[in-house]
Amino acid sequence: GDSVTQMEGPVTLSEEAFLTINCTYTATGYPSLFWYVQYPGEGLQLLLKATKADDKGSNKGFEATYRKETTSFHLEKGSVQVSDSAVYFCALSEGGGSNYKLTFGKGTLLTVNP
Amino acid sequence: DTAVSQTPKYLVTQMGNDKSIKCEQNLGHDTMYWYKQDSKKFLKIMFSYNNKELIINETVPNRFSPKSPDKAHLNLHINSLELGDSAVYFCASSLSPVTDTQYFGPGTRLTVL
Repeated sequence: GDSVTQMEGPVTLSEEAFLTINCTYTATGYPSLFWYVQYPGEGLQLLLKATKADDKGSNKGFEATYRKETTSFHLEKGSVQVSDSAVYFCALSEGGGSNYKLTFGKGTLLTVNP
Repeated sequence: DTAVSQTPKYLVTQMGNDKSIKCEQNLGHDTMYWYKQDSKKFLKIMFSYNNKELIINETVPNRFSPKSPDKAHLNLHINSLELGDSAVYFCASSLSPVTDTQYFGPGTRLTVL
């Protein structure tokens, strides 16, 4: 089946540092790609998504571009804040019709220090 | 207003017991899900329901039985709890089975002793 591979964490940065979290995928079709974020003690929230090749998703200063040629969807932010400390999940959609589902990567814990 | 809510937030129980987790969404969505997140944060889908009907069952042991009394509720009942069932269980919902965005509840941390 389809799968998602994320860079291993944890990632620790100082405030205002540049962030990249790598995500690559394998898929038989043309999935949509997502980044979800889980803040401490909370459920997951959609951060951004891209539905086709070369689309760029963006939200709250985070960006990710759907790269079909490298099967990647890396998450970037130019200047992280302490409040960005969370677990970040890359995900893809697979299947069709009633079998449609999300497959998640293993998550990357980000800690931002003041 | 909480979009997707779960109860209880924490559940501690002994091996062999039977327990239930409840989930409710007030978003008017047709589709609901249960996910299991293990101690390493790996998140995997267990079940998906659409309009009260099961549409995805990801080879979950039959000790786990979801029940959807209406499309706003999806409860998870677990029989004969085992140590390996300890995890955080998340409920989620989406507008339809093919809608990309899923909305997650806050999770239920189950600890089996």
